[in-house]
Amino acid sequence: SQKIEQNSEALNIQEGKTATLTCNYTNYSPAYLQWYRQDPGRGPVFLLLIRENEKEKRKERLKVTFDTTLKQSLFHITASQPADSATYLCAAYHGSSNTGKLIFGQGTTLQVKP
Amino acid sequence: DAGVIQSPRHEVTEMGQEVTLRCKPISGHDYLFWYRQTMMRGLELLIYFNNNVPIDDSGMPEDRFSAKMPNASFSTLKIQPSEPRDSAVYFCASTYLGYYNEQFFGPGTRLTVL
Repeated sequence: SQKIEQNSEALNIQEGKTATLTCNYTNYSPAYLQWYRQDPGRGPVFLLLIRENEKEKRKERLKVTFDTTLKQSLFHITASQPADSATYLCAAYHGSSNTGKLIFGQGTTLQVKP
Repeated sequence: DAGVIQSPRHEVTEMGQEVTLRCKPISGHDYLFWYRQTMMRGLELLIYFNNNVPIDDSGMPEDRFSAKMPNASFSTLKIQPSEPRDSAVYFCASTYLGYYNEQFFGPGTRLTVL
């Protein structure tokens, strides 16, 4: 079955460094990947969407890559800040041309220390 | 816009009772999704609607779960009878243009079944 895997261990980094989170998918080839941020007690918030024909997407301090050969997406936060501390969810689209759905990974918790 | 609205925010009930969760999507959005989030299984899609019609309910755990969308501005998720293993946070999300587009999540309903 289709599977999205993210590092289950929390990522701890120092303020100002670049955080890199990994998302691997198996048993299928999604046409889209999305990244969300989730704070405790809140719903996920959309950050970025990348299509399979796009290698890289940027938004302010955020960058997402999509490597269809490695079946992997990397999510980078440059110049990280304590306010970036949260859980980050990767989601991959699965389905046919008319219907589909997002399959979410378990998320990786990022802790940025001042 | 107020965003996706869910009620109640917290629900505590006893096993065997009926539970009804409610959702108001963002005005103009034609897709509505119901998710369940637990520590063990992460964020799982239960069912989604397009223009008030259920499209994919393959994630609904069993017949005890049912969802309706009587109009474009209201949806319910009902569990009858409830069981302790249904305890989770239930999210409603909505989007427009396509099921693969960014999704806007509500604050969630935390359900505890004793």
